Amino acid sequence: KAGVTQTPRYLIKTRGQQVTLSCSPISGHRSVSWYQQTPGQGLQFLFEYFSETQRNKGNFPGRFSGRQFSNSRSEMNVSTLELGDSALYLCASSLEAGVGTQYFGPGTRLLVL
Amino acid sequence: KQEVTQIPAALSVPEGENLVLNCSFTDSAIYNLQWFRQDPGKGLTSLLLIQSSQREQTSGRLNASLDKSSGRSTLYIAASQPGDSATYLCAVRNSGNTPLVFGKGTRLSVIA
Repeated sequence: KAGVTQTPRYLIKTRGQQVTLSCSPISGHRSVSWYQQTPGQGLQFLFEYFSETQRNKGNFPGRFSGRQFSNSRSEMNVSTLELGDSALYLCASSLEAGVGTQYFGPGTRLLVL
Repeated sequence: KQEVTQIPAALSVPEGENLVLNCSFTDSAIYNLQWFRQDPGKGLTSLLLIQSSQREQTSGRLNASLDKSSGRSTLYIAASQPGDSATYLCAVRNSGNTPLVFGKGTRLSVIA
């Protein structure tokens, strides 16, 4: 069974631009969570989706948004990029929301110049 | 608010040594606890998941224990190998409706 896939793997953007990241969960998994990882803050929760509904949202500004499609694939969008948005963005999937093991993708590394 | 701490931040051991990684959390009313491994620049690999009703879980050379009353979990690695070198992260979930809260990890180096 294929693992969690994330595209693109690397991105370079400039301040003020917007970016969309994509995540395809493991087949059959209906829950997708997004995390931001930086050297200073570690892993911080962004949001969690289950059956196209956002269940939880972390403490991030409104520039960060996401959605989930009927096939469980998820996208996150960051508008008006800031230098501090440079990070590794990780997506994780699980069979159901809030239970069981979370399986992580390889991440998308975003560099904002 | 749940806070997860992992000490030490970095650890270096010779190959073959048995070692223990520590994880502590401030709110003992947890739902489950998960240990992950992260190789440089990569995503996370799940190692072990312990439900709140369990005391320990084992997988190969890895054994994770959970003591909710003291707010602690340990990951025991037996007969360490250079391939075990990675950052080990502990994450706690307080309920089925709350997200995982991560510690900042312990960076392990196993020297051949």
